[in-house]
Amino acid sequence: DGGITQSPKYLFRKEGQNVTLSCEQNLNHDAMYWYRQDPGQGLRLIYYSQIVNDFQKGDIAEGYSVSREKKESFPLTVTSAQKNPTAFYLCASSIPGRGTGNTIYFGEGSWLTVV
Amino acid sequence: QKEVEQNSGPLSVPEGAIASLNCTYSDRGSQSFFWYRQYSGKSPELIMFIYSNGDKEDGRFTAQLNKASQYVSLLIRDSQPSDSATYLCAVAPYSGGYQKVTFGIGTKLQVIP
Repeated sequence: DGGITQSPKYLFRKEGQNVTLSCEQNLNHDAMYWYRQDPGQGLRLIYYSQIVNDFQKGDIAEGYSVSREKKESFPLTVTSAQKNPTAFYLCASSIPGRGTGNTIYFGEGSWLTVV
Repeated sequence: QKEVEQNSGPLSVPEGAIASLNCTYSDRGSQSFFWYRQYSGKSPELIMFIYSNGDKEDGRFTAQLNKASQYVSLLIRDSQPSDSATYLCAVAPYSGGYQKVTFGIGTKLQVIP
């Protein structure tokens, strides 16, 4: 089945650690995204990528890094510079086109908690 | 001013009633509008998208768009307890290629049995 797979589903990070969240899609979508969701807040865009080897900062990129070496993969690293990383992280993908606009589809999400 | 505004709720409706969820947006250039449903602890799932003024129906769901008033709504007929979730409104300009999609904070819907 086509879809977006995120792993791990739950992750605990110690202070000062970098952690990497995996995101793989087999939908053949060109664009991929990382969002962060905090209670009572809307989805906030961290990074996005339209094509392989290219990515752009979103609204809250500080303390995060990404890579896009393959069309299918868009991992997110939460660095120690991110001071408040506890959140629900959502990977998403889309394929822009007439009639569908830029419909975004989400993976199941990853819960990151700082301990 | 927030780009996409929704009342966070909760909106409580009895089972079988019509639930009406509302969303306003600030960018007059917006042309693509989406409704997502998000159950607690889960990721958002797409319910509907709409591009043209008027109504778009899909089963028990109807999306309504009024670009002049910068207003989009979602009606859920014959509401069921399984509809209890947070509903996210999302808005994007349509110019082909990548578009920045902006999400509202979501409205929490509670359907009371």
